[in-house]
Amino acid sequence: QKEVEQDPGPLSVPEGAIVSLNCTYSNSAFQYFMWYRQYSRKGPELLMYTYSSGNKEDGRFTAQVDKSSKYISLFIRDSQPSDSATYLCAMSRLSSNDYKLSFGAGTTVTVRA
Amino acid sequence: DAGVIQSPRHEVTEMGQEVTLRCKPISGHDYLFWYRQTMMRGLELLIYFNNNVPIDDSGMPEDRFSAKMPNASFSTLKIQPSEPRDSAVYFCASSPGTGGVQPQHFGDGTRLSIL
Repeated sequence: QKEVEQDPGPLSVPEGAIVSLNCTYSNSAFQYFMWYRQYSRKGPELLMYTYSSGNKEDGRFTAQVDKSSKYISLFIRDSQPSDSATYLCAMSRLSSNDYKLSFGAGTTVTVRA
Repeated sequence: DAGVIQSPRHEVTEMGQEVTLRCKPISGHDYLFWYRQTMMRGLELLIYFNNNVPIDDSGMPEDRFSAKMPNASFSTLKIQPSEPRDSAVYFCASSPGTGGVQPQHFGDGTRLSIL
């Protein structure tokens, strides 16, 4: 079983819809939770990060973490065609001697104009 | 501010040949990471460095792979001899790594095809 599970999709939605993405994980030591966005033929770029449980909002993006369920989510409101990309969740213990990130497989999202 | 720079962007070579991938991290970043991305396995960490010293190479698939970081502004990932199953996109990332959540900044990758 992988440490981080993410449904690869693909996910196709009409412009303006809410996009809902999620990941589950097995390692209870994870403390930091991140979402990366990767456009075609580009490297991943950090979209949002959260520490421990709770919600974080940044414009049209909302990240949620439920550590008791080992479940994280990313919501994109009022989706735009420019949001079409692959979204990867990532998480880490980020202790003083461990900077490794564990990534999900990525979910490919297409927003139709 | 220049991002992480990788070269070459594309590499096509025949099985058995030596392949060298190059990375220039963002200036001032203490951590450098090498990843491999495939459809089957997703994004996998191969090795990472802190202040030019390899910290964890447990993701390096086998002895055919080696990585060096001779100075703070340059790193290489070498595959010798290369095999078709090494075909993938290889990413380099760097991070300030000074505590807390420090994002990893990725280059645009090297798309490697071994024939």
